[in-house]
Amino acid sequence: GAVVSQHPSWVICKSGTSVKIECRSLDFQATTMFWYRQFPKQSLMLMATSNEGSKATYEQGVEKDKFLINHASLTLSTLTVTSAHPEDSSFYICSASGPLGNSPLHFGNGTRLTVT
Amino acid sequence: QQQVKQSPQSLIVQKGGISIINCAYENTAFDYFPWYQQFPGKGPALLIAIRPDVSEKKEGRFTISFNKSAKQFSLHIMDSQPGDSATYFCAASKGGSARQLTFGSGTQLTVLP
Repeated sequence: GAVVSQHPSWVICKSGTSVKIECRSLDFQATTMFWYRQFPKQSLMLMATSNEGSKATYEQGVEKDKFLINHASLTLSTLTVTSAHPEDSSFYICSASGPLGNSPLHFGNGTRLTVT
Repeated sequence: QQQVKQSPQSLIVQKGGISIINCAYENTAFDYFPWYQQFPGKGPALLIAIRPDVSEKKEGRFTISFNKSAKQFSLHIMDSQPGDSATYFCAASKGGSARQLTFGSGTQLTVLP
C-alpha cells in the first residue's frame, strides 16, 4: 500500500537554529502534500498545503517566513522551521495522497521537534 | 468555529465490549468522512471511511454509521481489544476529495484487559 515516510522522527535543536523535516511518498506521486502541527492530546492543525512546483498555501495565522515549505518533486516536500524557538516545539506531521481527487490521505509518522 | 465536533474526549471500555465514538458536523458540503487511529508518537492511520451515499460501512470489527439528516456519524468498535487503545479522530472533507480534511478533537480510547 501507499507509504509516506517522514524524517527525522525526532530532533532537538537550540533556539535560533533552523530545522528541516522531509516528507516522502514512497510508492506514489503526490502532487499535493499537507503539513500539520499537533500539540499533546490535541487534534491535528493544518499548517499549509504544499503543491508540487508552486508556492505553498498557508492557513491563517501560520507564518510563511518561519515555516518554509518546498515541494520540489512529486515525491518530496520539506518543511523548514527557521530561527526556531521553544514555542515551536511540537509534533509535526505530513500527509500525502495520490493524483486522484478521491485518493485516500496517508500520513507520515511525524517528527517530534524540541527546541531548547 | 469548530466544524466537526467529536465526543467523548476519552473512553474506557472492557475487553470484548463495544466502543462508540460520535461525531457531528455542520457543513452540509462535507461528503467524505474518514476515521483515523493514532498511537502515541506515530502519525494517524486511516481506519475506515464512508461517503454519504450509504448509511453504514463495516470492515472487520470497525463500523461507521452515518446519519445524513442529523449530520452525525459514529465509529463502532466491536469486541474491543487492548491493542485498540489509541486516539481516534473523525474527519470530514468536501468536494469528493479525501485531501483537505477537517479533524475532530480526538477520543482517547483505553481498552482494559
